[in-house]
Amino acid sequence: GAGVSQSPSNKVTEKGKDVELRCDPISGHTALYWYRQSLGQGLEFLIYFQGNSAPDKSGLPSDRFSAERTGGSVSTLTIQRTQQEDSAVYLCASSLEQASGKEGQYFGPGTRLLVL
Amino acid sequence: DAKTTQPTSMDCAEGRAANLPCNHSTISGNEYVYWYRQIHSQGPQYIIHGLKNNETNEMASLIITEDRKSSTLILPHATLRDTAVYYCIVSPQSTDKLIFGTGTRLQVFP
Repeated sequence: GAGVSQSPSNKVTEKGKDVELRCDPISGHTALYWYRQSLGQGLEFLIYFQGNSAPDKSGLPSDRFSAERTGGSVSTLTIQRTQQEDSAVYLCASSLEQASGKEGQYFGPGTRLLVL
Repeated sequence: DAKTTQPTSMDCAEGRAANLPCNHSTISGNEYVYWYRQIHSQGPQYIIHGLKNNETNEMASLIITEDRKSSTLILPHATLRDTAVYYCIVSPQSTDKLIFGTGTRLQVFP
């Protein structure tokens, strides 16, 4: 079946502009995650959704970052007033929550954001 | 969250088994061991996970020591396409975020 998809695949923007990044999780996956990976750096957790609610926003680096999820499916990560340090690959993942145990997360290809 | 220690890099000949070690000596009883890999310029790929017992799937085997303080990911017949950074992550049942370390860069050579 279809995996996690993200759009756009690449985004170049000017400092100070707002950007929206979209994630379509695997159908039926109730959990959705955003991470980012800066050049040469490790993967950094940003936010986690269970359904439409976000019980863990601890990784959002500043109040310029926000995310929402509607209908328990598509999620949008918004970065306001972008800064050059926001340049990174933004990765979305989804997983199937099961009471019997934890499941693996399935990642999309990422959105490469470059802030000039 | 328990931290993990992995070798920075490893080499493996194509067709041979790749054995990637991970130490997680501070793991708690409710923490799972996960393995992911990231091939260059791609998103991470889930490989396998386990709690106490050894696990096997179509990609790999996971061997967890009896005291759960270390584990080994085994790729039974490595191919050039297995060249990637491999991440060992421990994650408690109560949280869902993954904390990625620096991983092991596996280079499979012909």
